[in-house]
Amino acid sequence: KAGVTQTPRYLIKTRGQQVTLSCSPISGHRSVSWYQQTPGQGLQFLFEYFSETQRNKGNFPGRFSGRQFSNSRSEMNVSTLELGDSALYLCASSLTGKTNTEAFFGQGTRLTVV
Amino acid sequence: AQTVTQSQPEMSVQEAETVTLSCTYDTSESDYYLFWYKQPPSRQMILVIRQEAYKQQNATENRFSVNFQKAAKSFSLKISDSQLGDAAMYFCASRAGGANSKLTFGKGITLSVRP
Repeated sequence: KAGVTQTPRYLIKTRGQQVTLSCSPISGHRSVSWYQQTPGQGLQFLFEYFSETQRNKGNFPGRFSGRQFSNSRSEMNVSTLELGDSALYLCASSLTGKTNTEAFFGQGTRLTVV
Repeated sequence: AQTVTQSQPEMSVQEAETVTLSCTYDTSESDYYLFWYKQPPSRQMILVIRQEAYKQQNATENRFSVNFQKAAKSFSLKISDSQLGDAAMYFCASRAGGANSKLTFGKGITLSVRP
């Protein structure tokens, strides 16, 4: 069974540009969550999608957005990139998103903003 | 709101020895879950162990066990018979019950294993 797949693995962008990251969850999983990991702030929750609807949202500016497709694949978009957006972005999928189901993580996308 | 605190940034253990990683948390929820995740250099987060707050018995998974002190809001991870492959960053995390899927992580601790 394939795990959570995130593409691309590495990305370099210039300030002011926008970027789209992709996450393909494990087959059958309907919940996808996104996290930002930085050395200074650690792991912070961005948002969660379940059945194409945003169900939870963290404290990030509106430049961070996401969506989920009918096949549960999810994308997150960051517009007007800032240097501080450089981070590892992790995606996690689970069956329903309820607490008693395990969240499986992808290997992340390393975004560098220059 | 939930907070998770890991006050030790780094720890080191001799191979085959036992090490305990500390974690404290705070939550206003009565129903919540606690986790330890491992992040090796490959960056993929792997669930090590999970504890349901309503269970008094400490969770155990092979060489990994927790010491869950609910009143003290403490959730430490004990790794027995440490192996070189245990070297990684370890994150303590909490999650409220119900449909809330948000994980709140601590800052993590880097564990090194000396051969």
